[in-house]
Amino acid sequence: RKEVEQDPGPFNVPEGATVAFNCTYSNSASQSFFWYRQDCRKEPKLLMSVYSSGNEDGRFTAQLNRASQYISLLIRDSKLSDSATYLCVVNRPSGGSYIPTFGRGTSLIVHP
Amino acid sequence: DTAVSQTPKYLVTQMGNDKSIKCEQNLGHDTMYWYKQDSKKFLKIMFSYNNKELIINETVPNRFSPKSPDKAHLNLHINSLELGDSAVYFCASSRERDSFYEQYFGPGTRLTVT
Repeated sequence: RKEVEQDPGPFNVPEGATVAFNCTYSNSASQSFFWYRQDCRKEPKLLMSVYSSGNEDGRFTAQLNRASQYISLLIRDSKLSDSATYLCVVNRPSGGSYIPTFGRGTSLIVHP
Repeated sequence: DTAVSQTPKYLVTQMGNDKSIKCEQNLGHDTMYWYKQDSKKFLKIMFSYNNKELIINETVPNRFSPKSPDKAHLNLHINSLELGDSAVYFCASSRERDSFYEQYFGPGTRLTVT
């Protein structure tokens, strides 16, 4: 099983749709979870952190399910500008440190 | 002001050459990273330094040697370049080690080995 897994997509949705992505991780001792967004040929940028109690930032909601070892991202009222690749990041323990481990990303295409 | 900068942005070179990529951050962060993003867009950590000390080395061939002269700079030297080294290399920084804080990425260096 891969350390961090994401459905690569692409998810092709119309403007205004609600779309959800999941990301599963294999190491139950992982700490600190994030969602990053990466536009084509650009660097990743933080979208939001994921807190144990779940958190919301405008149209975006992130949740963590430790029992099932996954994090999720929900995007409501999709905009054309939401088209990008969404990367989940899990910090897994290794040799006394925590190593940031990225999923392969989920591609989202929002069309008119 | 650019928070994390990398030079060069593009690098085209032949197999067997040695090349360096430089990274600088002006955020006052303690921790810096090098990542490799391959053609399938998989972003994988290579190294991490905290206050000039190597803390993460993810089974990278020893042709790759990071150097951190101070906590604001982390350079990557690659010896005897191979075709498989072609990728985008991203530098990043975060406030402290163990990555519990947001990472800020540089714009990337697109390396092509011919």
